[in-house]
Amino acid sequence: QVQLQESGPGLVKPSQTLSLTCTVSGGSISSGGYFWTWIRQHPGKGLEWIGYIYYSGSTYYSPSLKSRVTISVDTSKNHLSLKLSSVTAADTAVYYCARGIRGHYGMDVWGQGTTVTVSS
Amino acid sequence: DIQMTQSPSSLSASVGDRITITCRASQSISTYLNWYQLKPGKAPQLLIYETSSLQSDVPSRFSGSGSGTDFTLTISSLQPEDFATYYCQQGFSSPLTFGGGTKVEIK
Repeated sequence: QVQLQESGPGLVKPSQTLSLTCTVSGGSISSGGYFWTWIRQHPGKGLEWIGYIYYSGSTYYSPSLKSRVTISVDTSKNHLSLKLSSVTAADTAVYYCARGIRGHYGMDVWGQGTTVTVSS
Repeated sequence: DIQMTQSPSSLSASVGDRITITCRASQSISTYLNWYQLKPGKAPQLLIYETSSLQSDVPSRFSGSGSGTDFTLTISSLQPEDFATYYCQQGFSSPLTFGGGTKVEIK
């Protein structure tokens, strides 16, 4: 079955760009009917949706993060990426990638999450 | 943006109890409501999609109902592995939004 695994630096300095990768195994990121999304969870808080991308490259971002976020797909490597620029301590969180199903827009496959701390 | 409000934010229950979690949307979302279970250190799990459809491999003790703005997740007989945090999420329109979560603890 499809599995997702996030990877990237666990520590990022303030004002720098956070870059994460989500590797998709057991299936193709180009499969129709799905979208690929990033979600984060601040320490002790709830889930916050960051944005999603269709395999075609069309994206939609959270309005609160739109000016700083880029989500992309690399079909040759079967992975998706997240870049979040100008980070602050408020971006410290567990970051999840997930596969979503077009139609009901629920996320049926999730990675285990990766913790990113923003600190100098 | 559509705001999702969950209640209660936490509850204590015993194994075998029936529990219900409520999720309210700030506007009608038809039946585009999904439920997730989160446990520390584990990948979140989709339990219910489109209000009442049980995701594969999810036990039948989980059920969902509702439409429009008011939705519920029910666990008919709480099991030890069900102690976790539950979130609702609307898929009606972007930005996708989640409820604040309900932590289910052992009484």
